[in-house]
Amino acid sequence: EAGVTQSPTHLIKTRGQQATLRCSPISGHTSVYWYQQALGLGLQFLLWYDEGEERNRGNFPPRFSGRQFPNYSSELNVNALELEDSALYLCASSPRDRGTYGYTFGSGTRLTVV
Amino acid sequence: GESVGLHLPTLSVQEGDNSIINCAYSNSASDYFIWYKQESGKGPQFIIDIRSNMDKRQGQRVTVLLNKTVKHLSLQIAATQPGDSAVYFCAERSGNNRKLIWGLGTSLAVNP
Repeated sequence: EAGVTQSPTHLIKTRGQQATLRCSPISGHTSVYWYQQALGLGLQFLLWYDEGEERNRGNFPPRFSGRQFPNYSSELNVNALELEDSALYLCASSPRDRGTYGYTFGSGTRLTVV
Repeated sequence: GESVGLHLPTLSVQEGDNSIINCAYSNSASDYFIWYKQESGKGPQFIIDIRSNMDKRQGQRVTVLLNKTVKHLSLQIAATQPGDSAVYFCAERSGNNRKLIWGLGTSLAVNP
């Protein structure tokens, strides 16, 4: 069974540009979660999607947004990139009825803003 | 060896020794706790979890202890192996909003 897959693995953008990160959950998982892991700051919750709807959002500005597609894959968009957006962005998925218990993470997208 | 988690982010142990990684959590209402292991270049990997109605849970070579009185969580790894070298995170959940709150992590280095 394929795990959670994220693309691209690495992404380099210039300040002010937009970045799009993609996540494919484990087959059968309907919930997708996005986390930011910045150096020295641990994992910070960004977004939770389930059945195509945004269910919860962390303390991030509106320029962080995303969506979930009918096949449960997800995109994270970061507009007007700032240098401090440089981080590892992790996606996790779970079955709807398992919630937090069934989290499985992908390997992340390393975003570097220069 | 023993770590104080957030206050001592690096733990170095000899292969074969037992490791203890500590974590102080923030919310007395948290009802679920998880330990994750993150190796370099990979996403966090689930190790073991515990609900707030328990004070101890054992897995294969790992034990999690929960002390709700002092809001303290620990991960014990028996017979630590080089493959255990990683950053270990504790995470807590409060409420049903699927959001985990993460500690900063403890880096475990296993010396052969």
